[in-house]
Amino acid sequence: GAGVSQSPSNKVTEKGKDVELRCDPISGHTALYWYRQSLGQGLEFLIYFQGNSAPDKSGLPSDRFSAERTGGSVSTLTIQRTQQEDSAVYLCASSLARQSYEQYFGPGTRLTVT
Amino acid sequence: AQSVTQPDIHITVSEGASLELRCNYSYGATPYLFWYVQSPGQGLQLLLKYFSGDTLVQGIKGFEAEFKRSQSSFNLRKPSVHWSDAAEYFCAVGAKGYQKVTFGTGTKLQVIP
Repeated sequence: GAGVSQSPSNKVTEKGKDVELRCDPISGHTALYWYRQSLGQGLEFLIYFQGNSAPDKSGLPSDRFSAERTGGSVSTLTIQRTQQEDSAVYLCASSLARQSYEQYFGPGTRLTVT
Repeated sequence: AQSVTQPDIHITVSEGASLELRCNYSYGATPYLFWYVQSPGQGLQLLLKYFSGDTLVQGIKGFEAEFKRSQSSFNLRKPSVHWSDAAEYFCAVGAKGYQKVTFGTGTKLQVIP
């Protein structure tokens, strides 16, 4: 079946521009996570959505980062006024609520800020 | 707070040799432990997980891991490595009722002929 998809796969942007990254979770998965993977680093948790509950935004590094999830499905991660340190791979994952520990990951979006 | 340490950044093994990747965690209660694999340009795929019960867990692709509470470890093993196992491996720790999972920094595995 269809897995988690992310778009674009690669994004190059100029410093100061805004970018939007999209995640389509597996159908029926109510939990959705965003992570950032920088070179040589592990996965940094950014934000977590579960059903209609308020998202857990505790991992967002600054107020330039925001995310929304529409209709309990597709999610968009927005980075405003991008900085060079935002360059990383942004990974999305989804899971079933009752098995929320088993996450299914998308291929990621590689963001390069020049 | 929970944390995970993967002390080896890179490991090189010969094809057919055995493999052990180290993972140490820090968590007060019984952790939920995971190993994920990331092939180049791909997302992460779950190899195996430990929640409770038998401390030796079997996963996909011939991998296994052993939970050792006394050593706070969850090392990943494979008896005979194949060239297709070359990838980056991430250990992660979670907890019951706690939705966030903390990932280690990863171990990059190189397999030589």
